[in-house]
Amino acid sequence: EPEVTQTPSHQVTQMGQEVILRCVPISNHLYFYWYRQILGQKVEFLVSFYNNEISEKSEIFDDQFSVERPDGSNFTLKIRSTKLEDSAMYFCASSPRGESFRGQYFGPGTRLTVT
Amino acid sequence: AQSVSQHNHHVILSEAASLELGCNYSYGGTVNLFWYVQYPGQHLQLLLKYFSGDPLVKGIKGFEAEFIKSKFSFNLRKPSVQWSDTAEYFCAVNARVGNKLVFGAGTILRVKS
Repeated sequence: EPEVTQTPSHQVTQMGQEVILRCVPISNHLYFYWYRQILGQKVEFLVSFYNNEISEKSEIFDDQFSVERPDGSNFTLKIRSTKLEDSAMYFCASSPRGESFRGQYFGPGTRLTVT
Repeated sequence: AQSVSQHNHHVILSEAASLELGCNYSYGGTVNLFWYVQYPGQHLQLLLKYFSGDPLVKGIKGFEAEFIKSKFSFNLRKPSVQWSDTAEYFCAVNARVGNKLVFGAGTILRVKS
């Protein structure tokens, strides 16, 4: 069964550094998402992406964050200048077009640790 | 704004016990409802979903959930749990295809063998 993949599985970075988290969504999916989960807290929506543009974003997704689909397969989340509070598990998800599913397939996550 | 509440943060059961995990949501319109499971060290996997039709939905691994519109609830059930059901369970809701999922806080289920 096709899966969403994410790299790296764990990223350690220093405060103020830029990080790029990478995702390869399922190949025929059209909607892409990033979520994060701070340790001990809920899974929170960050951003959704459709038709090469952001379709929705949360208050968390400020100017420090950006997303890109640089080619036909990758979907990236960039944090421009990391803060301690960005430490979290970041999940990528994708979903197909159409009404038959309406859910999202999740990747294994990238654990980001900002020191 | 949509929100999802899960009633129990930790549940401990013995094998063969019955399971019911509560989930309530707040949203005025039509919603799609989901239960996801995260086994230790693994990613979120869809257990089951409801978007229309029969309010009793069956998912994988013997799980089922009942949508009660009047109570804004979507409780997850399993008649007889196994040790391998030890995992964290998340209830989630969205309003339409392509829309963000709003998650509950999760319930950690531990099944004792």
